[in-house]
Amino acid sequence: EDKVVQSPLSLVVHEGDTVTLNCSYEVTNFRSLLWYKQEKKAPTFLFMLTSSGIEKKSGRLSSILDKKELFSILNITATQTGDSAVYLCAAGGSAGNKLTFGGGTRVLVKP
Amino acid sequence: GAVVSQHPSRVICKSGTSVKIECRSLDFQATTMFWYRQFPKQSLMLMATSNEGSKATYEQGVEKDKFLINHASLTLSTLTVTSAHPEDSSFYICSARDFITSGTTDTQYFGPGTRLTVL
Repeated sequence: EDKVVQSPLSLVVHEGDTVTLNCSYEVTNFRSLLWYKQEKKAPTFLFMLTSSGIEKKSGRLSSILDKKELFSILNITATQTGDSAVYLCAAGGSAGNKLTFGGGTRVLVKP
Repeated sequence: GAVVSQHPSRVICKSGTSVKIECRSLDFQATTMFWYRQFPKQSLMLMATSNEGSKATYEQGVEKDKFLINHASLTLSTLTVTSAHPEDSSFYICSARDFITSGTTDTQYFGPGTRLTVL
């Protein structure tokens, strides 16, 4: 059975701190790993990673994938209160185009 | 681009009634849509995969007669919760994959969700 595990479950930081979120996966015929940000409503897409070692960046957010060790990290630098959200990691395999989601990491950024 | 809408955003109903939730891809065509359920402070749980013009594929443990899914067009999928009970109260979220890029990306775009409360 496909599995995605995220850590930590939650963390509290202050504005300006850097956070690193972890995601490990076990997915049959792995194709891609995706990161989403969920605030009050539905998840919004952040990154999709398919190749090892290639960092993707968007502003203060960056992510990288290690297909040998089966994990990915999401970094947020110079955090702001608007970064407070649940960050979801999902892995896509060949099984019917489904995504398997991790349990999420809840990030709270205090002023 | 890649906007998905859901309607209604919130619904309260009496036990035993049926509730229909619509999911629309507004600016792209979606041959595949997905329906998720999310309990408070938990992650997304896939309920079913909805394919345009064919029967939905349900995940193990999801009752297909209770959660009816119809995907009649490339931009619309509906989820009907039949004979709803309080334990069906949850946040239901749909997502869609862009038909044009679906062969090269697993990215799903999510609707804003529907909060269902069954009294």
